[in-house]
Amino acid sequence: SQQGEEDPQALSIQEGENATMNCSYKTSINNLQWYRQNSGRGLVHLILIRSNEREKHSGRLRVTLDTSKKSSSLLITASRAADTASYFCATDLPGDAGGTSYGKLTFGQGTILTVHP
Amino acid sequence: DTGVSQDPRHKITKRGQNVTFRCDPISEHNRLYWYRQTLGQGPEFLTYFQNEAQLEKSRLLSDRFSAERPKGSFSTLEIQRTEQGDSAMYLCASSLAYGLGRETQYFGPGTRLLVL
Repeated sequence: SQQGEEDPQALSIQEGENATMNCSYKTSINNLQWYRQNSGRGLVHLILIRSNEREKHSGRLRVTLDTSKKSSSLLITASRAADTASYFCATDLPGDAGGTSYGKLTFGQGTILTVHP
Repeated sequence: DTGVSQDPRHKITKRGQNVTFRCDPISEHNRLYWYRQTLGQGPEFLTYFQNEAQLEKSRLLSDRFSAERPKGSFSTLEIQRTEQGDSAMYLCASSLAYGLGRETQYFGPGTRLLVL
């Protein structure tokens, strides 16, 4: 079963606008990762946030993590037509030893983002 | 291009036939993962290797599925007696050994399987 649930399932915006996608999960995690997938292609890793982090930035991406609410959000600022893709959150469970993870990612169903030029 | 390659990229087969997919991970990565993705869904974990050892298999991986990673380099995923329900994208990913700063998985382009 899918641990992560993304919201919304689809998002349509104009170029230059910001896009926010949310992810909720059910169990304790070691880290949460966001991936992008262009139609029919493989996944591209965007950003990883660890369970002891609250916010992380990478270029136009901002990810937040609230472990008390078991939720994360991905913000893409100043969107471009090239950002059109499906975005997935994936959770990585804690491993047996401190600070490690199993590496077995559990993905949500994804948010389909369409950015109109 | 992430450095992970998969072959073939597309495969059409008839129900009941066997198929084999190959994944070549990034050379220094000792962890290799297989996922399956059906239309409109996120990827689902199938199995993973650390070096040549297969450490975990999902319940999704029925007896018709087998995966190997001889010598801890490339990996193969074989599906015997394919069924129409096996139609999906099969994704391979690799990473360094687990641990802080090594969790990022790099995905290949996938093999899209269609069973007629």
